[in-house]
Amino acid sequence: NAGVMQNPRHLVRRRGQEARLRCSPMKGHSHVYWYRQLPEEGLKFMVYLQKENIIDESGMPKERFSAEFPKEGPSILRIQQVVRGDSAAYFCASSPTTSSGEQYFGPGTRLTVT
Amino acid sequence: AQKVTQAQTEISVVEKEDVTLDCVYETRDTTYYLFWYKQPPSGELVFLIRRNSFDEQNEISGRYSWNFQKSTSSFNFTITASQVVDSAVYFCALSEGRAGFQKLVFGTGTRLLVSP
Repeated sequence: NAGVMQNPRHLVRRRGQEARLRCSPMKGHSHVYWYRQLPEEGLKFMVYLQKENIIDESGMPKERFSAEFPKEGPSILRIQQVVRGDSAAYFCASSPTTSSGEQYFGPGTRLTVT
Repeated sequence: AQKVTQAQTEISVVEKEDVTLDCVYETRDTTYYLFWYKQPPSGELVFLIRRNSFDEQNEISGRYSWNFQKSTSSFNFTITASQVVDSAVYFCALSEGRAGFQKLVFGTGTRLLVSP
């Protein structure tokens, strides 16, 4: 059973470009979570999605950031008009349910904005 | 409000020393999970342990052990006979039942450096 897949692993964007980060959850998992880790900091929750629904986006910046988890295909975290402060590692996690509290993390995407 | 505090920013030890990483949490919930993750220099997150709030038994796994004390809201992690490969950043995290266990709240991490 493959783990959580994230791609790309490294992404370089110039200021003002768009960044698209993809996350394929583990097989059978319908819950996806995105976290951001700024340099030298811990992970911060961004958004929780189930198939076709955003359940909790309380950690998402109000502007330029969006997330989706379509019926088919991976979850996408989209950052429009990136700025240097968006440079971070973005981790995706998935779970089969929420009641166990357990989340399985992907390897992360390291975004660098130049 | 839920919060996790890892007061130790960085710890340096010499191989074979024992080391304890502290974790103090805050929650008003009676049902919650606590976690420890390891982040080696390669950057991925490695799951180490999950403990639910109703199970205060200490746990040992090889050189790793965890001490959960609800009375002091602490969930400390001890590595016995540390090795160079233990060098990493270690994160403690909390997930509350009232939030449906839908998000993990992480501490800021403790960087452990084990020198030969």
